[in-house]
Amino acid sequence: GAGVSQSPRYKVAKRGQDVALRCDPISGHVSLFWYQQALGQGPEFLTYFQNEAQLDKSGLPSDRFFAERPEGSVSTLKIQRTQQEDSAVYLCASSSSAGRGTEAFFGQGTRLTVV
Amino acid sequence: LAKTTQPISMDSYEGQEVNITCSHNNIATNDYITWYQQFPSQGPRFIIQGYKTKVTNEVASLFIPADRKSSTLSLPRVSLSDTAVYYCLVGPDTGTASKLTFGTGTRLQVTL
Repeated sequence: GAGVSQSPRYKVAKRGQDVALRCDPISGHVSLFWYQQALGQGPEFLTYFQNEAQLDKSGLPSDRFFAERPEGSVSTLKIQRTQQEDSAVYLCASSSSAGRGTEAFFGQGTRLTVV
Repeated sequence: LAKTTQPISMDSYEGQEVNITCSHNNIATNDYITWYQQFPSQGPRFIIQGYKTKVTNEVASLFIPADRKSSTLSLPRVSLSDTAVYYCLVGPDTGTASKLTFGTGTRLQVTL
């Protein structure tokens, strides 16, 4: 596709349920990032992949959050035992390299609501 | 990453020039200044990036004084479709999404 695609666009989960959020980056993009955006706030970094390697996961808020990118393209962000504080928009971004000045492209996000 | 300060919100009429100033007093020598735009229910979109002086593209201009402790995003003749949140980011390689620190941004409202 022409841009970063995320699915589902909206997800409602009951507290305690596991969820999986998918990101299809722009074809050929090496770098992939996940961000979490709470209502009224700016996006906050969660984790970063270069190809299939997860180089930085310092932003993951707890061990309930797990991300993978096994073949260096599609990525999945998994949240286990969801809590109400996990309610947010989860944004995925990709870029063609990690070099200076390379533009990052964001998807539309997945809005997760935990009830 | 350098901390940034920008106005929480701004209002403008259609057709006016809008200038959004961002303060970044502790910017490092190797830091770039990047602005992103975010519409409701969309992901952020890269607008412009600069290191010093002035940068202009088809969307906006970015003015950076010599001391680089602030920067100003200039949007010429805004339209209703420019209503969005604008984020100022400072850090190395901020053209990418690497650990970008967005802050709360400036909410620009354009009206007729």
